[in-house]
Amino acid sequence: EAQVTQNPRYLITVTGKKLTVTCSQNMNHEYMSWYRQDPGLGLRQIYYSMNVEVTDKGDVPEGYKVSRKEKRNFPLILESPSPNQTSLYFCASGEPGQVNQPQHFGDGTRLSIL
Amino acid sequence: DQQVKQNSPSLSVQEGRISILNCDYTNSMFDYFLWYKKYPAEGPTFLISISSIKDKNEDGRFTVFLNKSAKHLSLHIVPSQPGDSAVYFCAASRNSGYALNFGKGTSLLVTP
Repeated sequence: EAQVTQNPRYLITVTGKKLTVTCSQNMNHEYMSWYRQDPGLGLRQIYYSMNVEVTDKGDVPEGYKVSRKEKRNFPLILESPSPNQTSLYFCASGEPGQVNQPQHFGDGTRLSIL
Repeated sequence: DQQVKQNSPSLSVQEGRISILNCDYTNSMFDYFLWYKKYPAEGPTFLISISSIKDKNEDGRFTVFLNKSAKHLSLHIVPSQPGDSAVYFCAASRNSGYALNFGKGTSLLVTP
């Protein structure tokens, strides 16, 4: 079954304590991306990766890091989380450029930074 | 700057009737448009898409219409069913699929 898997699904932590949200896809997609969803703002892209070792900033990259060492994994790293990063995060993967090959999303990670 | 706008935060429709969800965009470079559906506690799931070279795409009960001159697209659901109750996101991209720009979503409630 085609899947994008995020872990953890829920996390409550404190300001400044480094955390990593993992994302893994089993569809051999080249493109992966992270979004955050906030009330009244929809989904906004944080970072994306076109392939292994190729990453770039999205619309709201401040306070986040990513890495793409393997094709299937694209972790999101918060080195020093702050309360304004409390949000619902989605990882997605896809093969853009091919019609009818839309991005697939994980089920989300709800982060609360106290 | 929101390049994709869904101006109706919510919509309520009776079962069996037509649901029409609207979306406007400002970037004339967008060439690929998608609708995603999202249930609580789940990620968005792809519903239907349309390329800018078309003005209509149908998939079962779902039809997306694109009016490029007005920079407007709409999703029609006919007939609406209670299971269609969800948040619907409109998204657009350049280069047919990279970097999706999302609207804020419209919450659809289909009542029996």
